[in-house]
Amino acid sequence: SQELEQSPQSLIVQEGKNLTINCTSSKTLYGLYWYKQKYGEGLIFLMMLQKGGEEKSHEKITAKLDEKKQQSSLHITASQPSHAGIYLCGADEDTGRRALTFGSGTRLQVQP
Amino acid sequence: DARVTQTPRDKVTEMGQEVTMRCQPILGHNTVFWYRQTMMQGLELLAYFRNRAPLDDSGMPKDRFSAEMPDATLATLKIQPSEPRDSAVYFCASGLVNGRGTTEAFFGQGTRLTVV
Repeated sequence: SQELEQSPQSLIVQEGKNLTINCTSSKTLYGLYWYKQKYGEGLIFLMMLQKGGEEKSHEKITAKLDEKKQQSSLHITASQPSHAGIYLCGADEDTGRRALTFGSGTRLQVQP
Repeated sequence: DARVTQTPRDKVTEMGQEVTMRCQPILGHNTVFWYRQTMMQGLELLAYFRNRAPLDDSGMPKDRFSAEMPDATLATLKIQPSEPRDSAVYFCASGLVNGRGTTEAFFGQGTRLTVV
């Protein structure tokens, strides 16, 4: 099955700072998803990237897909306390069944 | 406001009891996933359905877990008998396979299960 490794596992930044979270796959990426989770709540869909080196932005969050490196990065500009939470990357398995599996997550804290 | 609805939100039960968790997927979605989240294992895929047919349940302990979709508006995950190691948050997600074959999945709020 597809294995997704996220780095760093946890991150503490000062409000206003930029940060990057990485997600690397052991297999070819066909669909890469970023979600955010707050403690005790469900996952909130942020964005989806598909084959072809796609890049998407939503407010201050930008995600890129590097299919050659089998890697995606999530970049937050001018972080705010509202960005705190756990960020998870998920990916489609290219087995025709399209099972969505996830990395272990990156815990982000933003200090005011 | 379309959303995935899970019930119950919290469940505390004694070891050996049967537990049933329910999920109402977003209307029109053709794929339903069941996940379990723990601190140690993270988010694990247990089973998923496409057009109500089970595609893969290899992530589930077969002897005690079962997942069904009796109709398009209801998915269930049952544990019988429950054990303390089943304590976790169980998430249901529904999605729609798009033209490129990828699935945007939306999650419910989860069922927090505690087996004592």
